[in-house]
This record gives sequence, structure tokens and C-alpha cells, in this order.
Amino acid sequence: QTVVTQEPSFSVSPGGTVTLTCALSSGSVSTSYYPSWYQQTPGQAPRTLIYSTNIRSSGVPDRFSGSILGNKAALTITGAQADDESDYYCGLYMGSGIHWVFGGGTKLTVL
Amino acid sequence: EVQLVESGGGLVQPGGSLRLSCAASGFTFSNYAMHWVRQAPGKGLEHVSSIASDGGSPYSVNSVKGRFTISRDNYKNTLYLQMGSLRAEDMAVYYCAREGYYAWGSPRYYYMDVWGKGTTVTVSS
Repeated sequence: QTVVTQEPSFSVSPGGTVTLTCALSSGSVSTSYYPSWYQQTPGQAPRTLIYSTNIRSSGVPDRFSGSILGNKAALTITGAQADDESDYYCGLYMGSGIHWVFGGGTKLTVL
Repeated sequence: EVQLVESGGGLVQPGGSLRLSCAASGFTFSNYAMHWVRQAPGKGLEHVSSIASDGGSPYSVNSVKGRFTISRDNYKNTLYLQMGSLRAEDMAVYYCAREGYYAWGSPRYYYMDVWGKGTTVTVSS
């Protein structure tokens, strides 16, 4: 069974930088999995932030960036703001068998 | 304005059926692959089903295979999810999502770029 793991929670100070990661239970995350990142606040639909590892979706501020760090996909928020306090989900495309899998999400607190 | 509006959710007894709909507007629906993604109460996102722009290549995750059927009507600009033999673990908010555009000769990036607000399915006796 494919499991995608994210940090359950993270905290960052306003103006600070935080990196959230997305790991596979077996193997490394690479660009071949087309990592994407989604932001969700309580009661709202997800919002697309990043796709194909590091491409920002339309209208997303450049303080959000994506990358591969070691064997994980990563989302970095530089200069965190109060309204960045949300849940963040990574998504991976696993190929024609399993298709799409999401991570369990990271709850980010800005304080 | 690009918009996806889900409907059809509600309260259903275990073993019952529901059909979810997703009405698309503001873009050429027939050019895009579409997806259903669900979120159980207090839980994360789970990809449920997908379908190609022309209605081909329907896919469903193992946990719903044989019980849920995805389909689309490109004339009505509508995506559907027929749900049967519903279980308590199917209770969730169901989101309709558009996949980022791709076409012959252009790259496919395998991500969801537009999301609806969701419709809630409650399975309870």
C-alpha cells in the first residue's frame, strides 16, 4: 500500500520561513511523481498552490515555492503571514495503476 | 469565471445510493479531465475517481471500485458520480476537481487546478 507522509503539524513565526515535506513510504519522491501542493482552510475547498514540483499556480504569491529536497517533495513558505495558517496537502501521481495519492496533510500554525 | 458546482449530496442509509453532479461553467468542459476527491470528517483528502476529457479511461480507487461509477456529459457540461452500496466510511465532503489542461503535444502535469466547494454525503441509519 502506498502511503504518503507529511508532518502532522508545524509552527512558524510571522515573517519566518518554513519547509513542509512529502515522503513516500517506499522509495523517493522525484519529479516523475509530479508533486503538487494544496492549501485548505477549515470549511473551504482546497486551493492549488504548486504543481509539477515547482510551478506556482496562477495568482499564488512567490513566497510559496516547491522543490525536491533529498528524497522528498518540499513546500517552502518564505515570510509567513497570518493567513498562511492552513492545512497543506501534497499530491503525487503514482502512475497508471494507483493514480493519485494525497498525503495526510500538515496543519500549519503561524504564531 | 471558471466554476464547478457540486450537488446531490445528502443523508442516505447504509447500502443506499446517491448520484452526485458537478456543473461546470466558464471553460470548455470537454477539453479537461475531471476528478472526484473526498474528505471524511476531520481527515485528509482522498482521490476517488477520474475520467478523461472524452469520457474514456474511467478510474476509481480500490475502496470504491464496483460501487461507484464516474461519468460525464460533455453536452451538459456535467460530471457525475453514481454511488452505490454506500458504507459509513464513504461519509465525506465530495469535491469535483478539474485537472490541469493537457492536450496532444503539450505536457501533462497531473494535478487538480480548479476545485468546487463540495457536497456532503452522510451515511447513517
